[in-house]
Amino acid sequence: AQKVTQAQTEISVVEKEDVTLDCVYETRDTTYYLFWYKQPPSGELVFLIRRNSFDEQNEISGRYSWNFQKSTSSFNFTITASQVVDSAVYFCALSEGLGAGGSYIPTFGRGTSLIVHP
Amino acid sequence: NAGVMQNPRHLVRRRGQEARLRCSPMKGHSHVYWYRQLPEEGLKFMVYLQKENIIDESGMPKERFSAEFPKEGPSILRIQQVVRGDSAAYFCASSPGAGNTEAFFGQGTRLTVV
Repeated sequence: AQKVTQAQTEISVVEKEDVTLDCVYETRDTTYYLFWYKQPPSGELVFLIRRNSFDEQNEISGRYSWNFQKSTSSFNFTITASQVVDSAVYFCALSEGLGAGGSYIPTFGRGTSLIVHP
Repeated sequence: NAGVMQNPRHLVRRRGQEARLRCSPMKGHSHVYWYRQLPEEGLKFMVYLQKENIIDESGMPKERFSAEFPKEGPSILRIQQVVRGDSAAYFCASSPGAGNTEAFFGQGTRLTVV
């Protein structure tokens, strides 16, 4: 069974601070995929990144970066120089193996609410 | 290329009524997933469908809930005899098919049972 833990329920920072959102996962599969989604106050889910289990290279996209460490089963997300518009709930998700029908069903963590104060 | 379209965005039902939530996947996507998000919680998987088939419904409540994805038209999540505990945001996602790709989510339907 797969499991995703986001231990931080809520993080509050002041604008321009760096912030890291933690994600720890459990899986027995050697092939799996990790995701981050953003849910702003408007409620929609915005895809941020997908990483497969064979690619441990860190990823940077603008102010966003992701640190994938298989040794600790973690896939942490860092926002550099945070902005008020970054305020949202961030979800980490995992899909493992080949599910029925050959597709992957993401399992989500409970989310971390990030509040960026001006 | 329009994204995943869900309607209605907001739905209010009285206890005992039926709720029908619609999801039109992205063009070319044949896989649809439904998730439920209760207040202050993450997304919980409900059901995974391909055209005309339910592939995995392990997350669906055994009673009152059903889902379909017909050959033509949107996927429908149907909740019969709604209760207050059904109040939640229901998200639909779609993906192109076999093999891994990310699932693209719709904007959700917020169901309120009064």
